[in-house]
Amino acid sequence: DGGITQSPKYLFRKEGQNVTLSCEQNLNHDAMYWYRQDPGQGLRLIYYSQIVNDFQKGDIAEGYSVSREKKESFPLTVTSAQKNPTAFYLCASSSPGVSYNEQFFGPGTRLTVL
Amino acid sequence: AQKVTQAQTEISVVEKEDVTLDCVYETRDTTYYLFWYKQPPSGELVFLIRRNSFDEQNEISGRYSWNFQKSTSSFNFTITASQVVDSAVYFCALSEGRGGGNKLTFGTGTQLKVEL
Repeated sequence: DGGITQSPKYLFRKEGQNVTLSCEQNLNHDAMYWYRQDPGQGLRLIYYSQIVNDFQKGDIAEGYSVSREKKESFPLTVTSAQKNPTAFYLCASSSPGVSYNEQFFGPGTRLTVL
Repeated sequence: AQKVTQAQTEISVVEKEDVTLDCVYETRDTTYYLFWYKQPPSGELVFLIRRNSFDEQNEISGRYSWNFQKSTSSFNFTITASQVVDSAVYFCALSEGRGGGNKLTFGTGTQLKVEL
């Protein structure tokens, strides 16, 4: 079955620790995205990548970093510089990364920083 | 800058009622794309429909229908004869047609609760 996998579903970390969220897709999509969802605020774009070894900042990139070494993988690191990291994180992909294509979403990772 | 407004934070209806979810957008582009997504309690967003700015035809898919009106910058979503399984958060989103990839701007979502 083709789809997007995010792991783990729930993640707990202590304040000040970096944490990496996994996102893998087997849809052969070129573009991948990371969104953050907070209650009542909808989804906001953190980073996106249209091709391997290339990525761009979204609207709220501060305190986050990404890499795109493989087409199927787009991990997101939440660094200690992120002031309020507790949120629901969603990964998405599309092919190609153009305006008219719908994005397919993974099941999300709920990160709680204690 | 583009913006999507979903003024209805939460709607509660009784099963079999019809319900309309409102979406108003702002963009300077003449070419753009509008989307609706459903987010059930599991959390994963499910794509429902895409509409481009040059196609103002309304669309019906089973119990779902969409009304796109450029004159009022609205792209409203109606569920006919709602069911409990329709309970979810629904997001409207906008993508502009210029280069720069497929960046979606989401509204804040409407929580729909369908009760027996």
